[in-house]
Amino acid sequence: DGGITQSPKYLFRKEGQNVTLSCEQNLNHDAMYWYRQDPGQGLRLIYYSQIVNDFQKGDIAEGYSVSREKKESFPLTVTSAQKNPTAFYLCASSPRDRGTEAFFGQGTRLTVV
Amino acid sequence: RKEVEQDPGPFNVPEGATVAFNCTYSNSASQSFFWYRQDCRKEPKLLMSVYSSGNEDGRFTAQLNRASQYISLLIRDSKLSDSATYLCVVVYNNNDMRFGAGTRLTVKP
Repeated sequence: DGGITQSPKYLFRKEGQNVTLSCEQNLNHDAMYWYRQDPGQGLRLIYYSQIVNDFQKGDIAEGYSVSREKKESFPLTVTSAQKNPTAFYLCASSPRDRGTEAFFGQGTRLTVV
Repeated sequence: RKEVEQDPGPFNVPEGATVAFNCTYSNSASQSFFWYRQDCRKEPKLLMSVYSSGNEDGRFTAQLNRASQYISLLIRDSKLSDSATYLCVVVYNNNDMRFGAGTRLTVKP
């Protein structure tokens, strides 16, 4: 069953701690993305990766880090430097071909307590 | 200025109404365009791609105007099940994919 999986679905973190969100896909897609969504808001791009061992900053990369060591995996670390980390985090993947859609994971809701 | 701008709404329409959403983008290097639908507390899912020639899928029609840098979505004969947030998406040549803030639609009986 091909798809994109994010885990965990809900995550609670104490202020000042780093936390890593998992994103795995078995669609053989080259491009992967991380977005943040706040209540009533659209999706804001944190990082994206076109290919293994390459990634680019989006609009709100500060306080976040990523790695792309394998094609299937694109984990996002929310560091203690992120001042307001409570949000809904969405991971997506797509082929690099023109005009092809992106598929999303079910998202991770991160709450800082 | 945001790269992709959408009217956030909300749009509250009766069943059977026709409703149109617009979206403008700032970067003329944009390559591909899409409309996604997002239900409350769920992930976005593709509604339809948008082509310069326009495309239609049942009650939904999407248009792209490259000269004016905007895309539109028209929903005819609205159903209760159309209630959702509609997101326009612009993809650049380097696979950078940007979303609008979304337009919230509520269809009422």
